[in-house]
Amino acid sequence: SQKIEQNSEALNIQEGKTATLTCNYTNYSPAYLQWYRQDPGRGPVFLLLIRENEKEKRKERLKVTFDTTLKQSLFHITASQPADSATYLCALVPNSGNTPLVFGKGTRLSVIA
Amino acid sequence: DTAVSQTPKYLVTQMGNDKSIKCEQNLGHDTMYWYKQDSKKFLKIMFSYNNKELIINETVPNRFSPKSPDKAHLNLHINSLELGDSAVYFCASSQRTSGRGEQFFGPGTRLTVL
Repeated sequence: SQKIEQNSEALNIQEGKTATLTCNYTNYSPAYLQWYRQDPGRGPVFLLLIRENEKEKRKERLKVTFDTTLKQSLFHITASQPADSATYLCALVPNSGNTPLVFGKGTRLSVIA
Repeated sequence: DTAVSQTPKYLVTQMGNDKSIKCEQNLGHDTMYWYKQDSKKFLKIMFSYNNKELIINETVPNRFSPKSPDKAHLNLHINSLELGDSAVYFCASSQRTSGRGEQFFGPGTRLTVL
């Protein structure tokens, strides 16, 4: 069956360290993968999109990698801050065509001062 | 200016009632979506409209009926509400169909069915 898994439900990290969140998928061949941030009581906010032919994408302190062999995306936040505390969702486009985004359940990140 | 807005923010109602949630986007996007986020925080697509036309209809009971009067609005009407309909409903929009572009989400409507 098809699955998208963010294998840590919660992650605690010390301020200043690099947070690494994992997104694994099974039985998908995604053309695109996206990462969103969701704060409590709010809608998800888009962070980064990476295509299947891209290995890495960066935006300020954020970095995303996409390994289609391992069927995995890693999301890194360097020099993490308490304000980075939120739930981070990965989402993939299963294939080409008018297919909707499929979301993982998210990882709740807490950055401790 | 709010990009994607939804009303109401909270909706508490009795089983069996009919209710509507409204969504508007001022981004000029062609595609709008409804998502449901359940108590386990799992976010799942319900419907997608492109230029007022339904393009995605996931397995959703036909008690749920989306309506798009114009491409800036996508409303969700729910008939005969059930306990299991309790969730947070998010409206979203994007310039491109499917997942090729970023999606902009509204603040959500928390529906509680008693």
